[in-house]
Order: sequence, then C-alpha cells, then structure tokens
Amino acid sequence: RKEVEQDPGPFNVPEGATVAFNCTYSNSASQSFFWYRQDCRKEPKLLMSVYSSGNEDGRFTAQLNRASQYISLLIRDSKLSDSATYLCVVNGGTTDSWGKFQFGAGTQVVVTP
Amino acid sequence: DVKVTQSSRYLVKRTGEKVFLECVQDMDHENMFWYRQDPGLGLRLIYFSYDVKMKEKGDIPEGYSVSREKKERFSLILESASTNQTSMYLCASSWGDVYGYTFGSGTRLTVV
Repeated sequence: RKEVEQDPGPFNVPEGATVAFNCTYSNSASQSFFWYRQDCRKEPKLLMSVYSSGNEDGRFTAQLNRASQYISLLIRDSKLSDSATYLCVVNGGTTDSWGKFQFGAGTQVVVTP
Repeated sequence: DVKVTQSSRYLVKRTGEKVFLECVQDMDHENMFWYRQDPGLGLRLIYFSYDVKMKEKGDIPEGYSVSREKKERFSLILESASTNQTSMYLCASSWGDVYGYTFGSGTRLTVV
C-alpha cells in the first residue's frame, strides 16, 4: 500500500462550480500536511498547509481528519486558472525522517468554460 | 524572495556522458533533496542530505551520486547517462517538518 494515496482524476469541473477531493495517508505519526499545486511541466508550489482545525485561504479550504487519516481540499467558484495537478504532501512523522516528506501522485483538476 | 535555483532548465546529453545537475538554495536550509518526476510515476526520491558532506540514498539511487560540499549547494551526478534517465529533475530544500519543501524550477534532461 502506498503511504500517500490520491484519486488521480481528472476532475472535470465547470467554471464557477465547487470541487473537492481527498488524500489518504497511512502513517498515523504524520503531523504536517500540505497541498501543493503543480502546473504542466513546472515545479510543485505550496498552495497551503493543512491545520488540525481546518483552514481556508480565499476560495480554497483544507481539512484534516486524523481519525480516518485523510486530508481534503475544496475549491469554490472554480476558475480556469485552477486547472492543475494538486499534490498531497505528508511528513514522515519520525525523527529519522525529519524534514522529509511523502508525496501523493496528484489529482488532476480541469476547469472548463 | 527565497529561492532554490537549478542551474539549467533544459539539458540534452549523450548516452555515456557524465552529467552534473546543480542546485543552490539561499534559505540556510539543512535539508536538500533530489527527485525525478516521470508521467504516471509521480515524484521519486533519488538522494537527500541533512548536512554538509552527508548523503542518504532515496528510493531510486542507482546510476546517480550526489555531492554536498557546502550547505547551500547540492549536486546530482549521473555517472554515465542512459536514455532511461531522461526525466524532469527537481531539487528541493526544507527546514524541519513545519514549512514543507521549496522546489527549484526543475531541469528537464533528455539523454539521446
């Protein structure tokens, strides 16, 4: 079983609609969670950290469910520019993996006019 | 603006050549990483380093080596390039678990 799993999609979303997707992680010791955005042929860039209480940044909302070991990302009022691959990133949770992260394979979102 | 800089965006090399990919960060991060990314395979860790002159193998170190002589610089070396090393190479740095990775802009290497 992969340590971090994501639905690869693609999620085809009409402009203005809401889309949400999850990421599951297997290591219960993980403490740090992030969503990264990656555009085609570009490097991943940090979209937002995910906090225990959930957090929002404009149209983006991230949630953490420790009991079920997943994080989620919700995008409201989708824009064409939101089309990208969204990577789930999770820390290793142990002292010998400090500063090293595990990646999901990414969820592709395609926003259509 | 803090940065991770990779020396080349695009490289074309011949089979058997020794290839150097350079990465420099200006954030005083202890940790540096080299990944490759291929369609359908996601990001795979090649090597990483937690300190100067330290290196650790990642998941796919075969055919690669690294050098970290200074804290800010982490080099990836392809000892004898092969066509199956054609890929996007991404350098990243981090400080602890709190802030995640900062990535360089990537080097797209083609081995012919």
